[in-house]
Order: sequence, then structure tokens, then C-alpha cells
Amino acid sequence: NAGVTQTPKFQVLKTGQSMTLQCAQDMNHEYMSWYRQDPGMGLRLIHYSVGAGITDQGEVPNGYNVSRSTTEDFPLRLLSAAPSQTSVYFCASSPDRAPGGIGNTIYFGEGSWLTVV
Amino acid sequence: AQSVTQPDIHITVSEGASLELRCNYSYGATPYLFWYVQSPGQGLQLLLKYFSGDTLVQGIKGFEAEFKRSQSSFNLRKPSVHWSDAAEYFCAVGGYNSRGYQKVTFGTGTKLQVIP
Repeated sequence: NAGVTQTPKFQVLKTGQSMTLQCAQDMNHEYMSWYRQDPGMGLRLIHYSVGAGITDQGEVPNGYNVSRSTTEDFPLRLLSAAPSQTSVYFCASSPDRAPGGIGNTIYFGEGSWLTVV
Repeated sequence: AQSVTQPDIHITVSEGASLELRCNYSYGATPYLFWYVQSPGQGLQLLLKYFSGDTLVQGIKGFEAEFKRSQSSFNLRKPSVHWSDAAEYFCAVGGYNSRGYQKVTFGTGTKLQVIP
């Protein structure tokens, strides 16, 4: 049971570098999202998607880009890494947004630890 | 705007003791409420969820939570804690954003330490 798969698990970047965090799910979920987790701040939504070709911003989208060309994949791109983007990143997916979409279980990947120096 | 408050950052309990983790939410309509658990180095896993009906909800690993509308609370409980319960626990509330899409807001988490 793969579920939600994120790569890489650990990454160190230099300020100004760009990179892509990969996320794939094999549950045919329409809704996918990226969160960042910082100490004392819980999880904050970066971007989300409700289906292929449809993405939208969350609470903290600046400095990040996403696209959704297939149901399975939802990569997160850091355009020009900054030390403030040092964080743990989680990709998540859940079944169709409606009806009762907000009651659906969210399935999380195991996280990607990113350090920007 | 929806929000979740978990007032306790860290809690330490002895193995075998009972546990209660507090959660208060703010949401304008009937809330969808969740508890997730995160073991060290792992993603979050759903413990239980509440939409309607019986206000006492049973979850996995022997956890339960009680919804109290009058107090805007959804506290997590376990009668007897095991060492393997040491983890971070997140309360969350589900709603809709301005575009009509699902929006889940997480609390800041409570870290549980279990001592022998």
C-alpha cells in the first residue's frame, strides 16, 4: 500500500537555489495539498489542488509554485530558496471534495525535511 | 474564520495513567472535527473524526473524543496510556474556503511524553 509518496526525504539547499519536492498518490484522490510544519505553528497550507489542472493558494503560498497535470502527481517547486523556507513539508491527499468532502480523511506522506543555508 | 486552539504544548503522563488533551475550535456552522497523531519522523495519521450524531467518538488505538458544542471543545481522551502513545497530537477543524473547497485548519499540536 503506497498511499502518498514524497521525495526526497531530506534535502539541503543553498540560498537562491531552486528545487522540486515530488508527491504522488495512488488512491485516485482528487484533492491534494502541500503543508509546511514549523515548531509551534502546526501545519500551514501552502497550495492545494482539487483535480488535474486546478490549483489554488493556501495560507502561505509565497515562494512556492505547484502544478497538477495528472491526478496522481502534485509537485511543489521552490523557485529561489530562502532560509525562511527551512521546514518540514508534507504532501497530503483526500477523496473528492464534495459532498461531505471536508469530512474526508486526509492521508499524509512521511514528510520532506528541507534545510536552506 | 475557523480556528483551532490546543492550549497545551507539552504534556507528560505516566504509563498506565489516563490522558486528556484539550482542543477548542471556532467555526460558524456545524463543525467537522478531527484528531491526528504524528509519530516522530512520520506523517500524520487520523485517530478519529466527528461530523454529527453521538458526541462521544471512538477512534483507533483506544482513543476517544467528546464533542461539546456549548464549550466549543473536542477533547481527546485515553483511559490508560501506553509508552507507544508518545507522539504529537493535532486537533483540526474542517470547513470550506471562499471558493467552496474544503479547508482543514490544524492546531499547533500537543507533544505527549510518556514516562515509565
